[in-house]
Amino acid sequence: IVLTQSPDTLSVSPGERATLSCRASQSLTTNLAWYQQKPGQAPSLLIYDASTRATDTPARFSGSGSGSEFTLTITSLQSEDFVHYYCQQYKNWPYTFGRGTKLEVK
Amino acid sequence: QVLLVQSGPEVKKPGASVTISCRASASRVSGKDVHWVRQVPGQRPEWMGWINVANEKTKVSPEFQGRVTIAGNTDAPVVYMEVRSLGSDDTAIYYCATDQAGALSHWGQGTQVTVSS
Repeated sequence: IVLTQSPDTLSVSPGERATLSCRASQSLTTNLAWYQQKPGQAPSLLIYDASTRATDTPARFSGSGSGSEFTLTITSLQSEDFVHYYCQQYKNWPYTFGRGTKLEVK
Repeated sequence: QVLLVQSGPEVKKPGASVTISCRASASRVSGKDVHWVRQVPGQRPEWMGWINVANEKTKVSPEFQGRVTIAGNTDAPVVYMEVRSLGSDDTAIYYCATDQAGALSHWGQGTQVTVSS
């Protein structure tokens, strides 16, 4: 399953809202996760089952979608949010990741 | 707090093998199924395989079939992954991560593997 994330880079001002997209080549139902990755660190799980926040994920992060279209929304952007984000499907083996979206300060 | 502790960096020659370990350091991650993922800096993560530690069943990505072995069990909170016939394109950071119904919930700190002659 191929995951296409868009855009590659998203420029948003602190305090604003960011909307990241992940599209799958076939239906995932809701078997999709979102990860945040800070420089020099391992990815960190934010959202699983398309819309369920992981433990310790702040409420400003929300996931939505089902089937083949998914969205990660981050409201009230804070300085530590300007990093990379990846989606991952676990509908079928082999699990796959999208190419990622880099969130940068506008 | 790192809940999964991985073995240290490795430097290998082309054609060699490497074995990386992943140890659970807290009870809340011990006994959970484990995935292995690798990542070349600046690129997307790449899923390599998975082990069910309760029955030792494994699944390896077709990309790595025949070259990767994953092992571990509930008796000891350690999981291993061996990668054979290393090439320069295997230079990457290798991560283990616990399973949460398919999502990867807790990650190790990563193990840098460098393949160079």
